[in-house]
Amino acid sequence: DVKVTQSSRYLVKRTGEKVFLECVQDMDHENMFWYRQDPGLGLRLIYFSYDVKMKEKGDIPEGYSVSREKKERFSLILESASTNQTSMYLCASSFALASGRLSNTGELFFGEGSRLTVL
Amino acid sequence: EDQVTQSPEALRLQEGESSSLNCSYTVSGLRGLFWYRQDPGKGPEFLFTLYSAGEEKEKERLKATLTKKESFLHITAPKPEDSATYLCAVQSGGSNYKLTFGKGTLLTVNP
Repeated sequence: DVKVTQSSRYLVKRTGEKVFLECVQDMDHENMFWYRQDPGLGLRLIYFSYDVKMKEKGDIPEGYSVSREKKERFSLILESASTNQTSMYLCASSFALASGRLSNTGELFFGEGSRLTVL
Repeated sequence: EDQVTQSPEALRLQEGESSSLNCSYTVSGLRGLFWYRQDPGKGPEFLFTLYSAGEEKEKERLKATLTKKESFLHITAPKPEDSATYLCAVQSGGSNYKLTFGKGTLLTVNP
């Protein structure tokens, strides 16, 4: 079974703190994603990576950065956490249609989520 | 801009009472439509991919269908364990990777 593991299920941070959310997948997927999920807003894409060191901005990248130094690991960084970043963060991975091409089969495998509260 | 609208927002059924969930979409060329199930406190789990109008996919009590404007997720004789939020997503021809998700339908099946 594909496993996508997020490092923390629950975090509580203070405004202005630097926050790291880490995600590891074990299926050799090319693509990895970070989404946030908020009531009434649904799932929104923050960042996407299709290869090591490669990234694309999603719909709401402001206030976030990402790092992908190894194929299996994708980190989301909040440089200076703010209260409006309180949310459920979901990591996902997927195969590309062809290795090395920016593409997505659409079958995403999600982690269990990290619920972040910023006070 | 791709848009996905799911209805109803919430649906409560009795065990065995069949029904359908709707996903209406607007995209510039559909590359794929996807259904996911999400249990409380967990990440979404992939269910189906549909690529073209007329296509159908089935899994246990679930059947997904697709037209040029919408998709339906039919639930036949549901059980309490089918209770979850069902999410619909689309990938347009203009995007190599991005999925646009709807806000979901919260399904509750009472015993």
